[in-house]
Amino acid sequence: TQLLEQSPQFLSIQEGENLTVYCNSSSVFSSLQWYRQEPGEGPVLLVTVVTGGEVKKLKRLTFQFGDARKDSSLHITAAQPGDTGLYLCAGDMSGYALNFGKGTSLLVTP
Amino acid sequence: EAQVTQNPRYLITVTGKKLTVTCSQNMNHEYMSWYRQDPGLGLRQIYYSMNVEVTDKGDVPEGYKVSRKEKRNFPLILESPSPNQTSLYFCASSPTGMAGVTDTQYFGPGTRLTVL
Repeated sequence: TQLLEQSPQFLSIQEGENLTVYCNSSSVFSSLQWYRQEPGEGPVLLVTVVTGGEVKKLKRLTFQFGDARKDSSLHITAAQPGDTGLYLCAGDMSGYALNFGKGTSLLVTP
Repeated sequence: EAQVTQNPRYLITVTGKKLTVTCSQNMNHEYMSWYRQDPGLGLRQIYYSMNVEVTDKGDVPEGYKVSRKEKRNFPLILESPSPNQTSLYFCASSPTGMAGVTDTQYFGPGTRLTVL
């Protein structure tokens, strides 16, 4: 059962633009992770957020966990072609299994 | 180099011919897991293992078997593959038996399986 809805599903922007990807659920998660996956490779962890309202920054990427721990967002400032990839959010409810969203496919063109 | 390896990377087979996809990690991780990734459906968990000899079903276990006889290996077995098992498969591992809060899952490079 997929509990996490990601939006948008696809996003095509030009270099230098800002964007936000959303990850929403009606369920409460003890933590939420964001992964990035490039073609032909497995997902790679970007960040884990644990506390409601938590904000984490990774260079031009800003991650936020909702106050109620049901949703999260990923904001990219001044996107670059190297940011192209599939962004996946994954929620931990039980401590032993992650529930993944379907992903947001991002294309950044020069 | 710390890594999760999967073999084969690509496989084309026919309906009903038993196959095994191997997964091995060299990081002494306790937790291992198998996922399948399909367009429009995302990553879905097939089976996971908290430790040696301990396995449990994920969201989509039908048609698959696993075993965890040693810590480093977690093979995925398809006893009688069918076309609806055509997919991209990922193995993952994490240090302890817990996902999410305390651990990072490290993913293998994937195995693309086609069942004709």
